Amino acid sequence: SQELEQSPQSLIVQEGKNLTINCTSSKTLYGLYWYKQKYGEGLIFLMMLQKGGEEKSHEKITAKLDEKKQQSSLHITASQPSHAGIYLCGAVLLNDMRFGAGTRLTVKP
Amino acid sequence: GAVVSQHPSWVICKSGTSVKIECRSLDFQATTMFWYRQFPKQSLMLMATSNEGSKATYEQGVEKDKFLINHASLTLSTLTVTSAHPEDSSFYICSARDSTAGGPPDTQYFGPGTRLTVL
Repeated sequence: SQELEQSPQSLIVQEGKNLTINCTSSKTLYGLYWYKQKYGEGLIFLMMLQKGGEEKSHEKITAKLDEKKQQSSLHITASQPSHAGIYLCGAVLLNDMRFGAGTRLTVKP
Repeated sequence: GAVVSQHPSWVICKSGTSVKIECRSLDFQATTMFWYRQFPKQSLMLMATSNEGSKATYEQGVEKDKFLINHASLTLSTLTVTSAHPEDSSFYICSARDSTAGGPPDTQYFGPGTRLTVL
């Protein structure tokens, strides 16, 4: 079973639309990481959240960690084809980083 | 920022041969490194935790005799896929945890990955 539940598994949106990806854990998250990746390529670090209620933004991507620190959301505003890829949430749950199953985002021009 | 390199970036080998992949932390020391494997359309799955100067810890279902890990120094861990078979073809990514003080705890820095194809 996945320690981090990520949803949706895949997402197809029209360019310009907003979208949200969720990541949920049954355990308290002491550090939640968001990465972007294309299969066969390295991970692109997007942002890290640590504090309950924390929110960070980078360009058109905003990530939040809820007060209980068990759920995070990644929101993309006015999506562009360049946003396409696989989005992974990761968290150190024991002594190592585990990942959600990933969300494959397709942005149609 | 912290940089982790992997070598080679891609490798093609014949079935039955062994392949070594190197993971290096370039500007920091890492007592702990991690090896992940990723199959197409799947997420990263932790294979093993590599500890400098001691034996690696393998995740359930990962054969330690097939995936040999050596972490002989604070900046280098190697993964050797022994007697590789086509089902071992995958994308292998390593990460390293900065052992020095300061910065967010448990931060891992990821290498660019190695694509292994076994014919």
